Amino acid sequence: DTEVTQTPKHLVMGMTNKKSLKCEQHMGHRAMYWYKQKAKKPPELMFVYSYEKLSINESVPSRFSPECPNSSLLNLHLHALQPEDSALYLCASSQPTGMEEAFFGQGTRLTVV
Amino acid sequence: GQQVMQIPQYQHVQEGEDFTTYCNSSTTLSNIQWYKQRPGGHPVFLIQLVKSGEVKKQKRLTFQFGEAKKNSSLHITATQTTDVGTYFCAGPKKTSYDKVIFGPGTSLSVIP
Repeated sequence: DTEVTQTPKHLVMGMTNKKSLKCEQHMGHRAMYWYKQKAKKPPELMFVYSYEKLSINESVPSRFSPECPNSSLLNLHLHALQPEDSALYLCASSQPTGMEEAFFGQGTRLTVV
Repeated sequence: GQQVMQIPQYQHVQEGEDFTTYCNSSTTLSNIQWYKQRPGGHPVFLIQLVKSGEVKKQKRLTFQFGEAKKNSSLHITATQTTDVGTYFCAGPKKTSYDKVIFGPGTSLSVIP
């Protein structure tokens, strides 16, 4: 199984809502990532979990809250988002060596209204 | 800070023509990866280059890593409509190997 599964595929939320994005992988990868991608731009790293511990937070606003319940799951909790947060949110996983390919999920297309 | 640049930003080619995208890093890279993202899709890993001067081929795709390990290129011979997408190079940040920096990408359009 070389898949990274993300749910939901699409999400529309209001600025006062709380929602969560979910990501799952069963490849035994010990690094998991959240990226944000705007149209016609490259993926922009948000968070990295290495061995279930948060190792990198790229100065992401606190309205985004990551969580790694176990080595297979990664969540991104969303609260009080702004319209400019609308984007494709990609989850990825790899081995935490910097020398391994990253497998990306299909992403969640988020629209904040 | 460490930057990864790519040129060109966009390329439109007639089907059957060749295509090349170039990736340049401001610092030496331990390795470089290439990803392809189809329109509406997600990035998919193509290849990783590790050694100075390394050349790897995948069918019509040829990847090179520069001698100084600061630049790389992807060349596609005789493009097909299936090659349409954005090609990203990516490299680990020098100070944090689990942080991969993506170049801005080259968007390839193929005119049938």
